[in-house]
Amino acid sequence: GAVVSQHPSRVICKSGTSVKIECRSLDFQATTMFWYRQFPKQSLMLMATSNEGSKATYEQGVEKDKFLINHASLTLSTLTVTSAHPEDSSFYICSARVPLISTDTQYFGPGTRLTVL
Amino acid sequence: QKEVEQNSGPLSVPEGAIASLNCTYSDRGSQSFFWYRQYSGKSPELIMSIYSNGDKEDGRFTAQLNKASQYVSLLIRDSQPSDSATYLCAVYRRGGADGLTFGKGTHLIIQP
Repeated sequence: GAVVSQHPSRVICKSGTSVKIECRSLDFQATTMFWYRQFPKQSLMLMATSNEGSKATYEQGVEKDKFLINHASLTLSTLTVTSAHPEDSSFYICSARVPLISTDTQYFGPGTRLTVL
Repeated sequence: QKEVEQNSGPLSVPEGAIASLNCTYSDRGSQSFFWYRQYSGKSPELIMSIYSNGDKEDGRFTAQLNKASQYVSLLIRDSQPSDSATYLCAVYRRGGADGLTFGKGTHLIIQP
């Protein structure tokens, strides 16, 4: 399958700080990437769809000014959690579609575990 | 609202037996269906995808889809302890929101 990487894998920060998470497609170009969030014992919830060269599309209830998404190249999307608070502590996972394989299948990165103190 | 329902389990199956995981979905317009495996603390790993009614086999895994009943299942034959994980059912509707809609997952335990 296609390889998607994320960095960092784990981050601990103080309340009020901003955290940037990177998502990279390593062996393919991803015009579309997705950001999901997973709280303990819950399922993955889509936060936003990130399109290269255009604004992200956010799901209902996700604050676009708090979760800034930038997709500046075909291999990199970033999610910045601004002014993080303890309730933002979660497992953030990005994914990408590989059009040459399937227009529907998504491959996931390894995830970033964010803990806000 | 699109929903994907799964029994959270845990589902306990003896080693070597067949594990059967079930999923129902509410959006009749869903066209693509996926099973992901997620180990604790890790991100989901794609196991199977299925698009048409019927069965699709890949090694020890068989996915079954019944669009009329809005039901999709995953069978794991010759279950191994390494199959112990949470299995997530996900559906996708082309032309709708781009992301996948996930169920909460079924926690599968394979007993040695």
